[in-house]
Amino acid sequence: GAGVSQSPSNKVTEKGKDVELRCDPISGHTALYWYRQSLGQGLEFLIYFQGNSAPDKSGLPSDRFSAERTGGSVSTLTIQRTQQEDSAVYLCASSLGGASDYGYTFGSGTRLTVV
Amino acid sequence: GENVEQHPSTLSVQEGDSAVIKCTYSDSASNYFPWYKQELGKGPQLIIDIRSNVGEKKDQRIAVTLNKTAKHFSLHITETQPEDSAVYFCARTHNNNDMRFGAGTRLTVKP
Repeated sequence: GAGVSQSPSNKVTEKGKDVELRCDPISGHTALYWYRQSLGQGLEFLIYFQGNSAPDKSGLPSDRFSAERTGGSVSTLTIQRTQQEDSAVYLCASSLGGASDYGYTFGSGTRLTVV
Repeated sequence: GENVEQHPSTLSVQEGDSAVIKCTYSDSASNYFPWYKQELGKGPQLIIDIRSNVGEKKDQRIAVTLNKTAKHFSLHITETQPEDSAVYFCARTHNNNDMRFGAGTRLTVKP
């Protein structure tokens, strides 16, 4: 597609349930990033995928968070046993290559609300 | 640390006035400094960027300046318009692998 696509755009879930958030990057973009944006806050780095290399998971806040990227394209961010503090907007971005060389293109995000 | 300090957190200006947002960083290896604009309900969009070998860059009403010695960079918006109202984020890259963002500045342009 023309841009980064994220689904769903909104998700309300009960505390303790698992959720899956999907990101479809721009075709041909080898790098994919997940960020979390809490209400009124900046962007918190979560995880980074680059080609076939092992992902950089250094930003994942706990072992309840995981992400995968199948076939070097679509990525899924999974949050297990959701907690109220997980409520935030989850943003995905993709890049043609290194962030310094090509910059990011962001999706519109998934707004997650844990009740 | 690895992150970026951004000030002010909120900024209100009258239409037609200028707006300036400043960011500081500590990692001297940072070499790319983009600025993003985020409108309500949307993802951040790149509006201008600068690399470490350049001191200033302009694009119509928007300019960015970089002081590598002092490790700070600034966004300047002249002749502000109501549609400039948004949240602005500065960022810097580290090792070309990931981008670290400032906390954001909510700019309000009053007509």
